[in-house]
Amino acid sequence: AQSVTQLDSHVSVSEGTPVLLRCNYSSSYSPSLFWYVQHPNKGLQLLLKYTSAATLVKGINGFEAEFKKSETSFHLTKPSAHMSDAAEYFCVVIEDNYGQNFVFGPGTRLSVLP
Amino acid sequence: EAGVAQSPRYKIIEKRQSVAFWCNPISGHATLYWYQQILGQGPKLLIQFQNNGVVDDSQLPKDRFSAERLKGVDSTLKIQPAKLEDSAVYLCASRKQGSHQPQHFGDGTRLSIL
Repeated sequence: AQSVTQLDSHVSVSEGTPVLLRCNYSSSYSPSLFWYVQHPNKGLQLLLKYTSAATLVKGINGFEAEFKKSETSFHLTKPSAHMSDAAEYFCVVIEDNYGQNFVFGPGTRLSVLP
Repeated sequence: EAGVAQSPRYKIIEKRQSVAFWCNPISGHATLYWYQQILGQGPKLLIQFQNNGVVDDSQLPKDRFSAERLKGVDSTLKIQPAKLEDSAVYLCASRKQGSHQPQHFGDGTRLSIL
C-alpha cells in the first residue's frame, strides 16, 4: 500500500529566501505524485504533478519539484518566497493502476516572514 | 473551464439536525470525490463515484452519512443526524478518466455543529 510522509509539519522562511518542503512516499508501483496548495478557506489547488516523464517538474507560481526514485522523495522548492506563498501544502501519491486512489500526506504549513 | 462548484460555503446547525451539501463537478469529469477535512488535518476520503456508481465508500459513516450522484453529474452529501465531531470542511473534487489525471477541488463547505 502506498503512503506519504511530509517531514515537517511547519516551515517558516523569510520573504525572498528559498523554500524547501519535503515529501517521501512509498508505493508498490510507479507512482504519480502531486503537490497541492491550500490557502485559508479555499479548496486545494494543484501546483504541479509528476507522471513518469521528466524528473524535474515545474509548476505554477515558481514552484518546482524533483522526483528521486532512489530516495523515494518528491521535495517541493521555490527559489524566493513571497508573502502570498503562506499556506498549507499537501503531497499526494497515486498508484498507476488506473490511478483512482489518492493518498494525502498530513500537510506542511508554510509561514513567510516579512 | 469552470471549476468545481460547491454550495453552501458555510453552514451552522445544531447537533442531531440534518444537513445537505451539493457539488457540481467540472463538465466531463467521470470521477467525483467527497472528502472531510478536520481543522489542521489533511483531507479524508468519504466516498468516490465513477459516473453514478460508488467505487469506494469504506470510510463513510453509513449510519449517518449518505451520498448520491444521480445521472453521473451533480452529487449531494447528507448528514442525518449530525454530531459535534462532524464539524469540518467538506470538499468535493472531480477528475477526468485516465491515469495521471489530477483531482480538481471546490472551495468546500465549512460545517459548524453547535
